[in-house]
Amino acid sequence: EDQVTQSPEALRLQEGESSSLNCSYTVSGLRGLFWYRQDPGKGPEFLFTLYSAGEEKEKERLKATLTKKESFLHITAPKPEDSATYLCAVSGMVLGGSEKLVFGKGTKLTVNP
Amino acid sequence: DVKVTQSSRYLVKRTGEKVFLECVQDMDHENMFWYRQDPGLGLRLIYFSYDVKMKEKGDIPEGYSVSREKKERFSLILESASTNQTSMYLCASSTGGTNEKLFFGSGTQLSVL
Repeated sequence: EDQVTQSPEALRLQEGESSSLNCSYTVSGLRGLFWYRQDPGKGPEFLFTLYSAGEEKEKERLKATLTKKESFLHITAPKPEDSATYLCAVSGMVLGGSEKLVFGKGTKLTVNP
Repeated sequence: DVKVTQSSRYLVKRTGEKVFLECVQDMDHENMFWYRQDPGLGLRLIYFSYDVKMKEKGDIPEGYSVSREKKERFSLILESASTNQTSMYLCASSTGGTNEKLFFGSGTQLSVL
C-alpha cells in the first residue's frame, strides 16, 4: 500500500534557526512528489513538484530535494511568517494502471521571533 | 489569479439534514476534487471528476455523492448528515492527471450537531 510519512509532526524553531522537514514514501512508479503549505483555516497552497531523484527546487528560504525514498524541505533562516503546516503528497501508480495521489499528515512548523 | 471558491466558510447542520457544499473554479480546469481534512488523519479523497457529468469514487465515498453539471462547478452532497461527517471540506482543481499540482479552495468547516 502506498504510504507517505512526514516527520516530525511538529517543529518549533527560533527565527534564523535552519532545519529540515522529512517526507518518506513508498509508492510504485513515482510520478511526482508535491509540497504544499497550509495556513490555519485555509486550503493548502502549492510550493513545489519534484519528479525524479536528485532533483532540487528552491523558493525564497525553502529548498526541496528528492531521493528514491524521501524528500526533504530545507528551511534556511526561517522567519515567523514561515509558520504553517507543510504537507507532502506523492503521485504514483496503483494496481490497474491508474494513478493515485497520497498525502502525508503534515508537519506543523512554528517559528518564534 | 487562479481561484477556487467554496460557497460557505462555516456551516452548522443538524443530523439527518441534506447538505450541499458548492465549489466553483475559474481556471477552466478539467479535474475537480473533494477532500476532507481531520486532525491526525490528514487529507482524504472523497470524490473526484475528470470531466463534466463524470465522477469517480475516492477513498472514503460512503455517505457522500457529487454532481458536476458544468465544468466550473463541483458540488458535494451529504444525503443525510451525521455527526461523524463534521470536518473541514476542501475542494481542489487541476489541469491534468494526478501528477499536476492542485489548486485548493479555502475550505468549509462543517459541524453536524
